[in-house]
Amino acid sequence: GIQVEQSPPDLILQEGANSTLRCNFSDSVNNLQWFHQNPWGQLINLFYIPSGTKQNGRLSATTVATERYSLLYISSSQTTDSGVYFCAGREVGTASKLTFGTGTRLQVTL
Amino acid sequence: DAEITQSPRHKITETGRQVTLACHQTWNHNNMFWYRQDLGHGLRLIHYSYGVQDTNKGEVSDGYSVSRSNTEDLPLTLESAASSQTSVYFCASSAGGGLPDTQYFGPGTRLTVL
Repeated sequence: GIQVEQSPPDLILQEGANSTLRCNFSDSVNNLQWFHQNPWGQLINLFYIPSGTKQNGRLSATTVATERYSLLYISSSQTTDSGVYFCAGREVGTASKLTFGTGTRLQVTL
Repeated sequence: DAEITQSPRHKITETGRQVTLACHQTWNHNNMFWYRQDLGHGLRLIHYSYGVQDTNKGEVSDGYSVSRSNTEDLPLTLESAASSQTSVYFCASSAGGGLPDTQYFGPGTRLTVL
């Protein structure tokens, strides 16, 4: 199966700062998604982004499928952005099963 | 609004007992998944289903079973609970059928096996 590597593993930001989270895949994937797990444990789907760039408010994501990586940008971070960010992708030819990275833990402080 | 729910949210049981965790979605999604989340392992797939009467094993399926008798529900059964199955369990669903396969997660069930 594919390996999904996320960096950095941990990140501490002051409120208002910007950050970039990275996700690398060991092999070609499709169906790439980003999730946020809030401090209460709820997993929220942020982006479905198999390729290209999408933006949603202060968050945006870019996937370069040919180079097997994806980036999540957080601008003007807020304390509510704290939690763990996961990326996940589907190995080409393995219908619907996602493989998850181990996450980036983000803490935004005042 | 469509949603995915799990019950119970918290469960404490004893080793050897049979336990069933419920998952119910109102998205009318074809695909449903069960994951467990443990420190150091991230999210691991237990079982999944692409439709009624269809079930498949994931990477950590030993000791678990599922059945899919309708579109909305995919209960997860631990046949004989073991302490190694103490974990947080998440159910998820996605549309399937060639549509963008965004996965939506339930709130999770925290299971403790004593």
